[in-house]
Amino acid sequence: KAGVTQTPRYLIKTRGQQVTLSCSPISGHRSVSWYQQTPGQGLQFLFEYFSETQRNKGNFPGRFSGRQFSNSRSEMNVSTLELGDSALYLCASSHTGWYSSGELFFGEGSRLTVL
Amino acid sequence: AQKITQTQPGMFVQEKEAVTLDCTYDTSDPSYGLFWYKQPSSGEMIFLIYQGSYDQQNATEGRYSLNFQKARKSANLVISASQLGDSAMYFCAMREGPDSSNTGKLIFGQGTTLQVKP
Repeated sequence: KAGVTQTPRYLIKTRGQQVTLSCSPISGHRSVSWYQQTPGQGLQFLFEYFSETQRNKGNFPGRFSGRQFSNSRSEMNVSTLELGDSALYLCASSHTGWYSSGELFFGEGSRLTVL
Repeated sequence: AQKITQTQPGMFVQEKEAVTLDCTYDTSDPSYGLFWYKQPSSGEMIFLIYQGSYDQQNATEGRYSLNFQKARKSANLVISASQLGDSAMYFCAMREGPDSSNTGKLIFGQGTTLQVKP
């Protein structure tokens, strides 16, 4: 069974540009959530999608957006990039919105550097 | 408000010895799940172990066990027989249940860096 796949793994952008990150969940998983990891703020929740609907959103500005497609693949977009957006962006997938087995797995992340 | 606290920024352990990583949590939701993840320097988040709030027994997965003390709101990770490959950052995380307004949201602690000495 393939794991969670995130693309691209590494990317470099300049301030003001926009970026789109992709996440393909484990087959059969319908929930995808996104997290930002920085040395200063740690791991912070961005948003979660379940069956194409955004169910929850973290405390991030509107420049951060996402969506989920009918095949459960998800994308997140950051517009007008700032230096502080440099981070590791992690995607996690689970079978349902809630689970009793702890089935919540992460991809390897997309490391974004903003110059 | 939901919160996860890991009070040990860094820990050292001798190879083959056991080590306990501390985690306390706070939530008002009776239904929640607690996770531990390992993050090596490569950045990948590796799932280690899970404990549901209604689980009667402490979770175990190979060399990992979770010491779940519900009344004290603690969920400590115990790694037995440490190996050099266990050197990494370890995160405790919590997710509230389906009836919570926070459902779908995983809250992480600040992490503990574990170094295993040969």
